[in-house]
Amino acid sequence: AQKITQTQPGMFVQEKEAVTLDCTYDTSDQSYGLFWYKQPSSGEMIFLIYQGSYDEQNATEGRYSLNFQKARKSANLVISASQLGDSAMYFCAMREVGMDSSYKLIFGSGTRLLVRP
Amino acid sequence: SAVISQKPSRDICQRGTSLTIQCQVDSQVTMMFWYRQQPGQSLTLIATANQGSEATYESGFVIDKFPISRPNLTFSTLTVSNMSPEDSSIYLCSVESGQPNTEAFFGQGTRLTVV
Repeated sequence: AQKITQTQPGMFVQEKEAVTLDCTYDTSDQSYGLFWYKQPSSGEMIFLIYQGSYDEQNATEGRYSLNFQKARKSANLVISASQLGDSAMYFCAMREVGMDSSYKLIFGSGTRLLVRP
Repeated sequence: SAVISQKPSRDICQRGTSLTIQCQVDSQVTMMFWYRQQPGQSLTLIATANQGSEATYESGFVIDKFPISRPNLTFSTLTVSNMSPEDSSIYLCSVESGQPNTEAFFGQGTRLTVV
């Protein structure tokens, strides 16, 4: 079974500094996708960034980048130049494709990020 | 991308009653899913809503408690039946294209409180 682990329940970062949110995963599949989502207090889920298992380059989207280390099975999210609006819950997720072609996302437990002014 | 409208955004319900949550997508989508997020927890998949057939439920979730309909490729409903305070959660609708390198889109969520 696939599993996603986020070991940091909460993180603080000073405004304008960079922060890394950790994510490790466990899978025996060769092909998989890794995602990061942001959940503000309003409850919506906002897609941030995607990394495919065969992608050789680390994914980047604006201030977000994904530090993908396949051998270590880690997919850490790096947020550069933190802003107050980055304060939210962050979830790492992996897409699982079942033997019956079923499709679902497995989520980690999340990291709550608080940006200090 | 897909725009998802989920209703209601929040509700407070009496125990023993049922609530139906609606999910409307602005385009036809292959896959629709329903997730539950209990307070302070992560998202857990309830079921995959299948168009024209019965939903596929994950372990720990049953049709009698969470009946799901999906009459077409743009609409689905989730009913939380015979509610108890333990059902107090955020319920989220999600859609995917079925392409492996594309993200899942989520509705705004329904924040349910059962008293």
